[in-house]
Amino acid sequence: QSVLTQPPSASGTPGQRVTISCSGSSSNIGSNSVSWYQQLPGTAPKLLIYRNNQRPSGVPDRFSGSKSGTSASLAISGLQSEDEADYYCAAWDDSLNGWVFGGGTKLTVL
Amino acid sequence: QVQVVESGGGVVQPGGSLRLSCAASGFTFSSYGMHWVRQAPGKGLEWVAFIRYDASNKYYADSVKGRFTISRDNSKNTLYLQMNSLRAEDAAVYYCVRDGGYSYGRAKDYWGQGTLVTVSS
Repeated sequence: QSVLTQPPSASGTPGQRVTISCSGSSSNIGSNSVSWYQQLPGTAPKLLIYRNNQRPSGVPDRFSGSKSGTSASLAISGLQSEDEADYYCAAWDDSLNGWVFGGGTKLTVL
Repeated sequence: QVQVVESGGGVVQPGGSLRLSCAASGFTFSSYGMHWVRQAPGKGLEWVAFIRYDASNKYYADSVKGRFTISRDNSKNTLYLQMNSLRAEDAAVYYCVRDGGYSYGRAKDYWGQGTLVTVSS
């Protein structure tokens, strides 16, 4: 059971907007920055969002992040077939004194 | 360009030991904290350990505390993970990951391709 809770799956059609949630607690998301990672099939994870809502250079602005209280969200607009991947949220946890990941959400583009 | 390349994975018996290495290039290794993150087959990501840029602090997941040791050699631009008393549940792809620092909210900004550890008798 992961400390951060994500839905196991999400789906959408090309062009749609999809949102993936990440629920935590006051010791992790509530008091620390959230980052998001994309893992395409058979590849290593890649940083998608840092500091809750910042995109590294090279990440399309179709990807956006937000945080409110003890929850965070990743939104993907203008969904494309190449967005089909696993997505993970992560944050530092003050109680565990370590980093925690969400269980991951498998995004399917229908 | 930033590169981190893991090595040292392989097959080990339960109770055995293995040392992973990660060769870093394309950035000032001695200025960055580094992580090990693992992924069991078909499962999600699990953070394993972190070491500060100067090795002054180390942090471990509860699942590996007392069995794994993270270390680094800044003169060789290399990160290590010594894994002892290995268990079946330690079988995973192990990723070497750079910590982006406070400007990145401590996000993990560069990942290696991973090295596979199999624990089997």
